Amino acid sequence: DAKTTQPPSMDCAEGRAANLPCNHSTISGNEYVYWYRQIHSQGPQYIIHGLKNNETNEMASLIITEDRKSSTLILPHATLRDTAVYYCITNSRHDKIIFGKGTRLHILP
Amino acid sequence: NAGVTQTPKFRVLKTGQSMTLLCAQDMNHEYMYWYRQDPGMGLRLIHYSVGEGTTAKGEVPDGYNVSRLKKQNFLLGLESAAPSQTSVYFCASSQGQGTTTGELFFGEGSRLTVL
Repeated sequence: DAKTTQPPSMDCAEGRAANLPCNHSTISGNEYVYWYRQIHSQGPQYIIHGLKNNETNEMASLIITEDRKSSTLILPHATLRDTAVYYCITNSRHDKIIFGKGTRLHILP
Repeated sequence: NAGVTQTPKFRVLKTGQSMTLLCAQDMNHEYMYWYRQDPGMGLRLIHYSVGEGTTAKGEVPDGYNVSRLKKQNFLLGLESAAPSQTSVYFCASSQGQGTTTGELFFGEGSRLTVL
């Protein structure tokens, strides 16, 4: 089961695109990449997931490299409400879900 | 749209007391999970269930017990609370995809303080 590596914190100016990287170099061929975020002390919220292809929904875009060893979550127009901790995890067995410490994203006004 | 509901949201216990946290989901999900989150840390899996009547240990199961008598409910019990169990507890559920989790839906958390 893959483990992910994320920078502990990032800053982004309001209105700009926020690009959050994630390394998952040991990901297995059938494992998905999932992104969640946790605003303040609320429960984590699902954002997006993908396997090989790039994905987009109303919240964000997910870019996965061709070798699948890394991915980038893109928030196209960051707002102050996007300030949160962002977790990148690989979809794996029920007993092997590893959230890690995530990336604390600060949106600067 | 209740989703995943946790009760209680706040509780203060004395060392040695017992209590039960209740998680209820109305999405007919097969899989349910209990996590704990300590300050500045990520979420750690305590126990999980892949269906009614089943439970299994996660990463940090010691000091906790769980039961899944009904599909929609997952109970987390502390038989003899210790200060080390002071934490925020999150319940989650998912429909699952075979042996993998799928999208997790989380509750709002239960803050437990053990004095």
